[in-house]
Amino acid sequence: DAGVIQSPRHEVTEMGQEVTLRCKPISGHDYLFWYRQTMMRGLELLIYFNNNVPIDDSGMPEDRFSAKMPNASFSTLKIQPSEPRDSAVYFCASRLTGGSTDTQYFGPGTRLTVL
Amino acid sequence: AQSVTQLGSHVSVSEGALVLLRCNYSSSVPPYLFWYVQYPNQGLQLLLKYTSAATLVKGINGFEAEFKKSETSFHLTKPSAHMSDAAEYFCAVSRGRSSASKIIFGSGTRLSIRP
Repeated sequence: DAGVIQSPRHEVTEMGQEVTLRCKPISGHDYLFWYRQTMMRGLELLIYFNNNVPIDDSGMPEDRFSAKMPNASFSTLKIQPSEPRDSAVYFCASRLTGGSTDTQYFGPGTRLTVL
Repeated sequence: AQSVTQLGSHVSVSEGALVLLRCNYSSSVPPYLFWYVQYPNQGLQLLLKYTSAATLVKGINGFEAEFKKSETSFHLTKPSAHMSDAAEYFCAVSRGRSSASKIIFGSGTRLSIRP
């Protein structure tokens, strides 16, 4: 398996622009998580899905952030409009619940810079 | 609520020396505990996990951790550090396999290895 795939790996944009981050989870995994990592706040859980349904979005910082999972193999995290304080590394992770594989697998991350 | 506290944001050891990274947890239910490693510009990788079986858990790359309920600790150790162990290490806790479970990460400990 190719693991969790994220695109783009790097994104540089200007304040006010819309940013869309993409994630393809490991095939067959039933949970998908979006995290944000910054030096100041560490690793924060933004939102997670179970079987494509959002379960907990309490970590989403503002209404400017939205996430969707239209099917089991694809999710997006959108920021509109973006602000410089959104600059961070955004990770997607997936998990298969049950058995010995009850573990989160992380993608390589998207480094977002908002100028 | 679950939480983890990692003692020491930065640990430096000499190559060949013992590595000890400290983690204490708080959980109202029997926890699942994890150690993840993050190499520069990469996502997090699972090192090992405790899921209520053996209290001494062996992971990849020669790391192990011991679950001590009386001390609410899950410290990570490696007998002999290697230069390739330089990375950031995250302790994490979850409620287990329940549908509401999510992993809560500590703030991380950066491990440096001196030649």
